[in-house]
Amino acid sequence: LAKTTQPISMDSYEGQEVNITCSHNNIATNDYITWYQQFPSQGPRFIIQGYKTKVTNEVASLFIPADRKSSTLSLPRVSLSDTAVYYCLVGLSNFGNEKLTFGTGTRLTIIP
Amino acid sequence: EPEVTQTPSHQVTQMGQEVILRCVPISNHLYFYWYRQILGQKVEFLVSFYNNEISEKSEIFDDQFSVERPDGSNFTLKIRSTKLEDSAMYFCASRQGGPYNEQFFGPGTRLTVL
Repeated sequence: LAKTTQPISMDSYEGQEVNITCSHNNIATNDYITWYQQFPSQGPRFIIQGYKTKVTNEVASLFIPADRKSSTLSLPRVSLSDTAVYYCLVGLSNFGNEKLTFGTGTRLTIIP
Repeated sequence: EPEVTQTPSHQVTQMGQEVILRCVPISNHLYFYWYRQILGQKVEFLVSFYNNEISEKSEIFDDQFSVERPDGSNFTLKIRSTKLEDSAMYFCASRQGGPYNEQFFGPGTRLTVL
C-alpha cells in the first residue's frame, strides 16, 4: 500500500484558495488518489478522486502531475465551514473491495 | 440524498458487557464496512462485508467482534465483552460497488466503556 505524506496542519484566511499537497512516491500503476474530509465527531466524507492530470467537481479540484508521485487538493475560496481534517488516500482502484487506510491527515483551520 | 444512518449516537456501557451497534447502509449498496476512531487518533479499518460474509478484517477485529446483516437493511457490529480500550467512535460505511468505489460514512456511534 502506497504511503502518503501530507502536512500536519495548515491555516488560511477566509476567501482564499487553499492547496494541500500529498506525497505518494510509491504509488502503483492501478492506484487512484482519493481525498476525504472529516469534521469533528463526524464520519469522513468523500471529496474527490482522480487518477491523473486534473479533476474538478463542485467542491474542489485535484491536480496530479504526470509522474503521479504527488497530488494537490485545491479548495477555492474557503470559508469557516471548511475547517476540518483532510485525508489523502492512495490505493483504491475501480475494482475489488479495498478498505480505506487513513493517515493522520492535514488539520485545516480557516481564520476569519 | 441517501445517507448511512447509525444508532445509537452514543452508547455507554460497563466493561464486560455486550454491545450491538446498528447501521442502515444506503439501500442499493453492496459493500459494508466498520471503522473506528479512538479520540484524537486515526480512523482505523475493522472489517468489510460483502455477499453476506466477511471479506477482510483487521488485527483489531478479534473474536470479541462480530458483524451481521440480519435482514435486508441493517448491518450490525457486536462487541461481546467490552474493554476500556474499546471506547471510540465507530463508523459504518457502505459502497455501491462496480465502478463506484466511494465509501459513504455514517455519523458514527460514540461508545464509552466504563
